[in-house]
Amino acid sequence: EPEVTQTPSHQVTQMGQEVILRCVPISNHLYFYWYRQILGQKVEFLVSFYNNEISEKSEIFDDQFSVERPDGSNFTLKIRSTKLEDSAMYFCASSWTLNTGELFFGEGSRLTVL
Amino acid sequence: AQKVTQAQTEISVVEKEDVTLDCVYETRDTTYYLFWYKQPPSGELVFLIRRNSFDEQNEISGRYSWNFQKSTSSFNFTITASQVVDSAVYFCALSPPNTGNQFYFGTGTSLTVIP
Repeated sequence: EPEVTQTPSHQVTQMGQEVILRCVPISNHLYFYWYRQILGQKVEFLVSFYNNEISEKSEIFDDQFSVERPDGSNFTLKIRSTKLEDSAMYFCASSWTLNTGELFFGEGSRLTVL
Repeated sequence: AQKVTQAQTEISVVEKEDVTLDCVYETRDTTYYLFWYKQPPSGELVFLIRRNSFDEQNEISGRYSWNFQKSTSSFNFTITASQVVDSAVYFCALSPPNTGNQFYFGTGTSLTVIP
């Protein structure tokens, strides 16, 4: 069964460092997403991406965040200068269509900022 | 505004008891999708069910059942004969149309099944 894969599963970094979280969406999917879950809190939408550009983004997705699809398979989330409050689980997701609710989540990348 | 409320923060039940997890949502849209996800201690989000707002039929899948009441904006989830492996955090989520698959999650209910 096709699945969304994410690496690393857990990353520890120092405050101020840049972090790149990687995702391989399901191969024939066209829409890609990042969601974030701060420990013990709800899962929150960060950004959606289609046709090599951002479709939607939330207030959380400020200038320190960027997304990219550098090749035909990877979808990355970059955090330029990490802050303590960026510590969270980051979920990548992908879908074939929009607005049908068929979203496939990866297993998450846990980021710990010290 | 889109909002999902899971008023039960934590629930503990003894194994084999039935348990119902409540979910109340708010949306002005007439069409939308509702979901339940399970998050075990390992952290991943496990998809349980997707329900279209037009389909108000209740659904049963093994020990799981869902009660969708559009009139009260509720989408409750019942686990029958709970097992220790059901211990997890359960999230209800809403996805309105034309938001690019933005999901609005509730704050989750942490279920502990005691052997």
